[in-house]
Amino acid sequence: GNSVTQMEGPVTLSEEAFLTINCTYTATGYPSLFWYVQYPGEGLQLLLKATKADDKGSNKGFEATYRKETTSFHLEKGSVQVSDSAVYFCALSDQRNNNDMRFGAGTRLTVKP
Amino acid sequence: KAGVTQTPRYLIKTRGQQVTLSCSPISGHRSVSWYQQTPGQGLQFLFEYFSETQRNKGNFPGRFSGRQFSNSRSEMNVSTLELGDSALYLCASRALTGAYEQYFGPGTRLTVT
Repeated sequence: GNSVTQMEGPVTLSEEAFLTINCTYTATGYPSLFWYVQYPGEGLQLLLKATKADDKGSNKGFEATYRKETTSFHLEKGSVQVSDSAVYFCALSDQRNNNDMRFGAGTRLTVKP
Repeated sequence: KAGVTQTPRYLIKTRGQQVTLSCSPISGHRSVSWYQQTPGQGLQFLFEYFSETQRNKGNFPGRFSGRQFSNSRSEMNVSTLELGDSALYLCASRALTGAYEQYFGPGTRLTVT
């Protein structure tokens, strides 16, 4: 079945450091891929998405590229801020499999000033 | 457009009681999904409804049930509450077009004592 694996946290960085959160997926078809962010006490917010191979999703300085050859969708940001502290979830939606939606376990990021 | 709304935001119940949570999707979205989020188990899929029919179901006991109304609003019910049901319950809606991404509400924090 479909699944998403993302790097375990927690991740702690200093302000202005470079961020990478790894995400790999297993899917039978050609899924759409997403990154969601969850701030304390809130629901998940869609951060960015990509629908086909080599697409790059970007938003608020975050980027991720859909790599079909490595089945990956790693999240990156060049310079993190304290306000980026949150839990990040990688996810996929497989239209060929009843729109099955799968989420990774989440990675907690803490950015220190 | 207004986002996904969930009521109530916080709830305290006693073991053995039952509870009903409500979710109003984004206007035009006909698919509504429910998730349980706990620190230990992460984000777990409960069920998805589309046009008043349950499409997918996660691995939860029959005490967890849901329904969807003709206006796409959804409710989930948990009967005979257990301490382990304490969690954040998240509702998400989506349009079954495009990337099929889900949009989440703020959640209902249920505490069972």
